[in-house]
Amino acid sequence: AQSVTQPDIHITVSEGASLELRCNYSYGATPYLFWYVQSPGQGLQLLLKYFSGDTLVQGIKGFEAEFKRSQSSFNLRKPSVHWSDAAEYFCAVGAGGDYKLSFGAGTTVTVRA
Amino acid sequence: GAVVSQHPSRVICKSGTSVKIECRSLDFQATTMFWYRQFPKQSLMLMATSNEGSKATYEQGVEKDKFLINHASLTLSTLTVTSAHPEDSSFYICSAQTSGGADEQFFGPGTRLTVL
Repeated sequence: AQSVTQPDIHITVSEGASLELRCNYSYGATPYLFWYVQSPGQGLQLLLKYFSGDTLVQGIKGFEAEFKRSQSSFNLRKPSVHWSDAAEYFCAVGAGGDYKLSFGAGTTVTVRA
Repeated sequence: GAVVSQHPSRVICKSGTSVKIECRSLDFQATTMFWYRQFPKQSLMLMATSNEGSKATYEQGVEKDKFLINHASLTLSTLTVTSAHPEDSSFYICSAQTSGGADEQFFGPGTRLTVL
């Protein structure tokens, strides 16, 4: 079965600074990888996904992620953080024909002025 | 875009009562819906997979007699928490998937259940 680890529980970053959220997965074959963002009281919004092809994936809101098979990682990055990026971020892995997703524990991002 | 709604957004009930949570895909047909449970500051845990017109498939450790799932149409799935107890208090989130595949899963805003 697949699993996801997000090593950082909480990250604080200054507005305008860069942000990187780590995600490591465990799966025997090529996984489907996702990053979601959850704001308080709202559902999960898909930021980006990787299925195959180019290992650098561009998403919405200026986010990007890079799939590194050798490191089993799919880290999320943003060059310049905005105050509105404060939220909970979840990495997820999907595999197999049933498209079930396994989520990491999440990383809370706090943005300071 | 694809919108998924949940109703109610928040519910408080007494121990021993049953609570029904609805998940609707508003502008698309969902062949599959998923139900998740999220504890405070924790990740989403998949509870069950629901396919329209068939019985739900429950994840290991999830009591199917306690968490009844019905997917009667392509736009509606319901989760009923039967004989709720305080330990059932949680945030329940549904997602709906079109026939397009793994990338076509859209999440509802969640329902906060508090059992007194």
